[in-house]
Amino acid sequence: GAVVSQHPSWVICKSGTSVKIECRSLDFQATTMFWYRQFPKQSLMLMATSNEGSKATYEQGVEKDKFLINHASLTLSTLTVTSAHPEDSSFYICSARDRTVWTEAFFGQGTRLTVV
Amino acid sequence: AQTVTQSQPEMSVQEAETVTLSCTYDTSESDYYLFWYKQPPSRQMILVIRQEAYKQQNATENRFSVNFQKAAKSFSLKISDSQLGDAAMYFCAYRPSDNFGNEKLTFGTGTRLTIIP
Repeated sequence: GAVVSQHPSWVICKSGTSVKIECRSLDFQATTMFWYRQFPKQSLMLMATSNEGSKATYEQGVEKDKFLINHASLTLSTLTVTSAHPEDSSFYICSARDRTVWTEAFFGQGTRLTVV
Repeated sequence: AQTVTQSQPEMSVQEAETVTLSCTYDTSESDYYLFWYKQPPSRQMILVIRQEAYKQQNATENRFSVNFQKAAKSFSLKISDSQLGDAAMYFCAYRPSDNFGNEKLTFGTGTRLTIIP
């Protein structure tokens, strides 16, 4: 399968600061990228979907001004958590798909964000 | 809206034995995809198996096989000859067929599988 690299694996930031998480498709062009949030012992909740050449589509209840998603190129998407607060602490996972080639999307290894 | 239900929060199986994880889903679509993902302690999501709804034949991948019952909207995963490395959280997921802009995965709540040595 294809490889999706997510960076950093973990990050600790102070309350009120912003943190950026990168998601890269290493060996394919990601026409669609997805960002998920996962709370401990819970399932993955989709935050937003971004397709090549268009802005991200956010799920209901997700603050687009707080969680900025940029599908900068066909191999890179970034999630910026702005003005982070302790309640934003969570595990964030990206996935990417070249929908012209594969049925499934491939997942990054996730980022554990802790806001102190 | 599509929903995916996994009614078994936890399951355990003796090493080398067989275990079946249950999944049901609700959709009004006739064409879609179903997946089982494994999330080990590393939390990396790993695709275990995929089933296209238009295919009647159940998918198999080595020790992993599914029982896909379209009319009943059931999609169970059978793991044969369980190994210690199979211990993980297993998520069932649904995705509509290709429809640009509407291809998101809907996940179940997961089943935590423990392998007993």
